[in-house]
Amino acid sequence: EAGVTQFPSHSVIEKGQTVTLRCDPISGHDNLYWYRRVMGKEIKFLLHFVKESKQDESGMPNNRFLAERTGGTYSTLKVQPAELEDSGVYFCASSRDRVEAFFGQGTRLTVV
Amino acid sequence: DQQVKQNSPSLSVQEGRISILNCDYTNSMFDYFLWYKKYPAEGPTFLISISSIKDKNEDGRFTVFLNKSAKHLSLHIVPSQPGDSAVYFCAASARSNTGKLIFGQGTTLQVKP
Repeated sequence: EAGVTQFPSHSVIEKGQTVTLRCDPISGHDNLYWYRRVMGKEIKFLLHFVKESKQDESGMPNNRFLAERTGGTYSTLKVQPAELEDSGVYFCASSRDRVEAFFGQGTRLTVV
Repeated sequence: DQQVKQNSPSLSVQEGRISILNCDYTNSMFDYFLWYKKYPAEGPTFLISISSIKDKNEDGRFTVFLNKSAKHLSLHIVPSQPGDSAVYFCAASARSNTGKLIFGQGTTLQVKP
């Protein structure tokens, strides 16, 4: 069984540009989560999808972040326009039963 | 407001000895707790979990203890092996909620041969 896959693994963009991160969850996992780790601190929740519906967006930093999960399969997280403080590692996770979540390898975003 | 805290940023132990990683939480709504292990350039990997109705859960060399009255949990690794060297994250969840995880800051464990 394939794990959670994230693309790209690294992205370096200039301030003001747009970046789109992609996550492919484990097949059959309705729950999909986005998390972010900034500057080696704790991993922070961003949002939660159940299939294509957003269940909880309480962790989204601001309206420069837009997440979608069309068709309830893969998800994208767009940052537009990117700011310096958006730099960090973005993790995607999926779960079948909202218990143990399986994480992807993360996308390291650097905004310069 | 840090709801899950791992107060020790790092821990170093000798191979074969016990590693004890600690975690404290403040939110009494949390009813499920997990430990994840993370190697550099990889995502967190699920290690072990415990429900709030239990006080101990064991899986091989890994045991998690939960003290609800103290809002404290710990992960014991016995015996520790060099391959256990990684960052360990404690996480908590209120399953009646969305299942989102609240993480601690992580503890870097180094097991010396």
